[in-house]
Formats: sequence, structure tokens, C-alpha cells
Amino acid sequence: GAGVSQTPSNKVTEKGKYVELRCDPISGHTALYWYRQSLGQGPEFLIYFQGTGAADDSGLPNDRFFAVRPEGSVSTLKIQRTERGDSAVYLCASSPKGTSGGSSYNEQFFGPGTRLTVL
Amino acid sequence: DQQVKQNSPSLSVQEGRISILNCDYTNSMFDYFLWYKKYPAEGPTFLISISSIKDKNEDGRFTVFLNKSAKHLSLHIVPSQPGDSAVYFCAASEDTDKLIFGTGTRLQVFP
Repeated sequence: GAGVSQTPSNKVTEKGKYVELRCDPISGHTALYWYRQSLGQGPEFLIYFQGTGAADDSGLPNDRFFAVRPEGSVSTLKIQRTERGDSAVYLCASSPKGTSGGSSYNEQFFGPGTRLTVL
Repeated sequence: DQQVKQNSPSLSVQEGRISILNCDYTNSMFDYFLWYKKYPAEGPTFLISISSIKDKNEDGRFTVFLNKSAKHLSLHIVPSQPGDSAVYFCAASEDTDKLIFGTGTRLQVFP
């Protein structure tokens, strides 16, 4: 039973570049979340998918951030025109919430994160 | 506006003693609370949770207490072990799916 995996584990890019971060959720989990964690802070919610659709994207900081989950499994977080302030650890989590027989409570299982550094 | 607060950035406890980590929240609509543990270079690991209809939930050495009137919850670890040394995050949700996290408390358990 593999957990949530994220690639790459580290990404260094230059200001203004485009980056894609990938998340593979736990098999069978229909709910997928993206969070961002800056130094000394707790994870901050970005976006939540239930299946293929974004159920809540209220945490995306601006229109440079976009995420997709076209087949209801793997998700990609895309950041355009990166800025130094985007540097953080980007965490992905999945949950069985919404799955038949799954928990009605929101226990989310996190991946190891992608550390993004924008120079 | 920080809706979930962990006012103690760090805590040091001797092995075998009790560790008590505290968390306060401001949103009375929160109905589910969780504690996560995080080691360096790893994602947060789910530890224990509690629904707002309960005031206590226990799982082995870990117990979470919820005081709704005070908007306060705490995590008790007894007995504390060196392997418990990590950053602990309190999180809450409001009948939606996003978790609101506190800033974390670094626990160090020394021999």
C-alpha cells in the first residue's frame, strides 16, 4: 500500500519560469488536496478536488496558480511566471472522503512534499 | 487572521513524563479537529482526531481533549518517548474539506 507520492522532491527554478508539480494520491482516494507550507508556518490550503473537479479553489493565491486532475487520480499543480515569494514546500494530501464506504470525516494523508525554490 | 493558534512554538519534556500540546481556535463553526506530527523532510502524519460532538478521544499513548466553550483543544502524550520528538500541528475543519492549520509546536523529548 503505497502512500501519497510527489515529484520532484526538490525543484529549483528562476524567477519568471513555469513549473509543474505532480501528486500521486493513495489508490482509491477520491479527494485530493494541495497545500503550501512556508518556513515557520503550518500548511496553508490551496485547492481541493473531489474526483476530476475542483470543489474548492479558494486558497489559490492568484491566477498564476492552476491545478488539474483530469482522470480523477494524479494531479498537477502548475505555477506560471514564478516569483521568489512562491518558494515553499508544496504538499499534496488525499482522503477517502466521498468514497463509498469511506470515512465521513476528513482524515487527510500527506505526501512528502516538493520543495520549490525560486531564485 | 489566524483561526487556529498554537501559542507555544516549542516544548521540552523528559522521557516518561507527560507532554501536553495546546491549540486554540476562533471559529465556532469548526466541527472536526486533528493533530498531525511532522518529521523534517517528511509530510505531516495523521495522529488523532476528534469530532465536535465529543470531548475526548484516546488512542494508545495519545489523547485529545476538546473544550468547545473555551475553543481549546489539547493533545496529551503519556508516557513521552524520544521518538515523539517532532513538530506537532493542530488542524480544524468546518463541514468543508479544507484543513486550517496552526503554526506548530516543536516537541523535544530528552532522556
